[in-house]
Amino acid sequence: DQQVKQNSPSLSVQEGRISILNCDYTNSMFDYFLWYKKYPAEGPTFLISISSIKDKNEDGRFTVFLNKSAKHLSLHIVPSQPGDSAVYFCAASRYGSGNTGKLIFGQGTTLQVKP
Amino acid sequence: EAQVTQNPRYLITVTGKKLTVTCSQNMNHEYMSWYRQDPGLGLRQIYYSMNVEVTDKGDVPEGYKVSRKEKRNFPLILESPSPNQTSLYFCASRTDSHGNTIYFGEGSWLTVV
Repeated sequence: DQQVKQNSPSLSVQEGRISILNCDYTNSMFDYFLWYKKYPAEGPTFLISISSIKDKNEDGRFTVFLNKSAKHLSLHIVPSQPGDSAVYFCAASRYGSGNTGKLIFGQGTTLQVKP
Repeated sequence: EAQVTQNPRYLITVTGKKLTVTCSQNMNHEYMSWYRQDPGLGLRQIYYSMNVEVTDKGDVPEGYKVSRKEKRNFPLILESPSPNQTSLYFCASRTDSHGNTIYFGEGSWLTVV
């Protein structure tokens, strides 16, 4: 049972344009969402996060949007740069009593930004 | 420098030969975990540890063991590896319940033939 889904395995965009990566989840108890970026031969690194009490969080070129009613979040990268080419994972967790701190990851989306 | 260090980074082994992947963190984190990454499945948690001597199963624990005798170390043990354990493994640590402080190791490529 895939609780966090990234339905697009890959995405290709031109440098300077917007990249939009999507993620859907099924568990309404999730209340914290994160995006990680992974380059080949490296471990994933934290990119941006959002709490369920917000619907948007922005950090420089990166913005995450959360639509709780649709159980959907998206990561916008504007403008996209060739160095953004990587695999992007979305992840979800549930905070509160009994929380084990486990992150549930999506399958990942490979972003290619063409010069 | 904050680091999670895994060894070995690359290993080819044979079915049934016991192996251990070591993981060490220098951030005094209480929470450590192991993930495996497989195509089309993303990262799946194998085992986690909330503190020394406290470990529990994640989503895919079959065929693996862990131990947490010291805060900084969290080795992953494959007692009798099988080909379906061929994967990319990541150790991770963090200090609190939310993932924005999670640190991943660089990964260990394991091939079981």
